[in-house]
Amino acid sequence: GDSVTQMEGPVTLSEEAFLTINCTYTATGYPSLFWYVQYPGEGLQLLLKATKADDKGSNKGFEATYRKETTSFHLEKGSVQVSDSAVYFCALYAGNNRKLIWGLGTSLAVNP
Amino acid sequence: GAGVSQSPSNKVTEKGKDVELRCDPISGHTALYWYRQSLGQGLEFLIYFQGNSAPDKSGLPSDRFSAERTGGSVSTLTIQRTQQEDSAVYLCASSLWVGREISYEQYFGPGTRLTVT
Repeated sequence: GDSVTQMEGPVTLSEEAFLTINCTYTATGYPSLFWYVQYPGEGLQLLLKATKADDKGSNKGFEATYRKETTSFHLEKGSVQVSDSAVYFCALYAGNNRKLIWGLGTSLAVNP
Repeated sequence: GAGVSQSPSNKVTEKGKDVELRCDPISGHTALYWYRQSLGQGLEFLIYFQGNSAPDKSGLPSDRFSAERTGGSVSTLTIQRTQQEDSAVYLCASSLWVGREISYEQYFGPGTRLTVT
């Protein structure tokens, strides 16, 4: 079945460091891929998405490129801020069962 | 416009009691999802409603869990005879239909933190 695997956390970085959170997937067909973010005390919200191979999603300085050849959708940011401290979830939507398939989440802590 | 709201935000209950959790989706969103998020775990799908179609209950962990959606809007998740392992954050999300297909972007409520003592 469809699945998402993302790197385990927690990830701790200093402000202005480079961030990568790895996400790989298994899916039949051509899924859409997402990163959601959950800030402390807030609900999950969509950060970025990509709906076909080689698409790059971007938002708030974060980027992720849909790589079909490596079945990956790694999240990157060139210079993290303390306000980026949150839990990040990778997810896919294959459309066949109308459900998002979620990774386990990666906690990020950015220190000043 | 209001987002997805859930109530209560926190619920502490004794083992064996029944609890009801409420979700108000965004107006006009016909799809509604319930998830469970346990400490250190990802999101566990519980149930999905779409319009007047029969709900997808494939994620409900036991027959102690049930949910209904009245008038295609508000939803209630009921857990009967609660157990300690039911302690988790219960999240509700809603989304739109776009054309003939559901939008994959889900809008989440803040969740209900359930603690079973």
